[in-house]
Amino acid sequence: DSGVTQTPKHLITATGQRVTLRCSPRSGDLSVYWYQQSLDQGLQFLIQYYNGEERAKGNILERFSAQQFPDLHSELNLSSLELGDSALYFCASGVDRGHGYTFGSGTRLTVV
Amino acid sequence: GESVGLHLPTLSVQEGDNSIINCAYSNSASDYFIWYKQESGKGPQFIIDIRSNMDKRQGQRVTVLLNKTVKHLSLQIAATQPGDSAVYFCAEKGPSDYKLSFGAGTTVTVRA
Repeated sequence: DSGVTQTPKHLITATGQRVTLRCSPRSGDLSVYWYQQSLDQGLQFLIQYYNGEERAKGNILERFSAQQFPDLHSELNLSSLELGDSALYFCASGVDRGHGYTFGSGTRLTVV
Repeated sequence: GESVGLHLPTLSVQEGDNSIINCAYSNSASDYFIWYKQESGKGPQFIIDIRSNMDKRQGQRVTVLLNKTVKHLSLQIAATQPGDSAVYFCAEKGPSDYKLSFGAGTTVTVRA
């Protein structure tokens, strides 16, 4: 157990729908990072939050949004889902910019 | 844009042999590098990291080498075991970056 908790582990939904992925960071970590991993692809950075505020943004689609709550858990919202959004979505948490971070076990999203 | 990449997408190694996984990076300003291991169905797991003021760092059965002159990073695994079969990612971060940028990954298969 890495200490980073992601729910749900699996999600199957239809095109056009909206889903919410949840992440609880490791105790003491203020930063949360969201990454997308498509089949046979690397990890694509989506967005980072630090202590409740957006800090960095990657190639995140406008249909996607995220937030970090006062208790530091984060949610990634994916709307108007398309087949191409099927992927593994990972959350990671960390302390500060000088270190690596710890990943959760991911949410596997399948859009049908 | 600048990114981190890996020389070979796959590597097949005989059990007991040493493995060397290579990574080329293009951002000369990067000052922090990290290797992750991702087993099937799991999130990336931290292996070892190195800062740009070092050339070499050793862990348990693993060594990371950094050559800043040619912008090359390598991960050496000693006495490779079946449990080492996984996808290995290198990642880098610059001094002004908050996020890690990942390469495409190398799939290591250990032959019995």
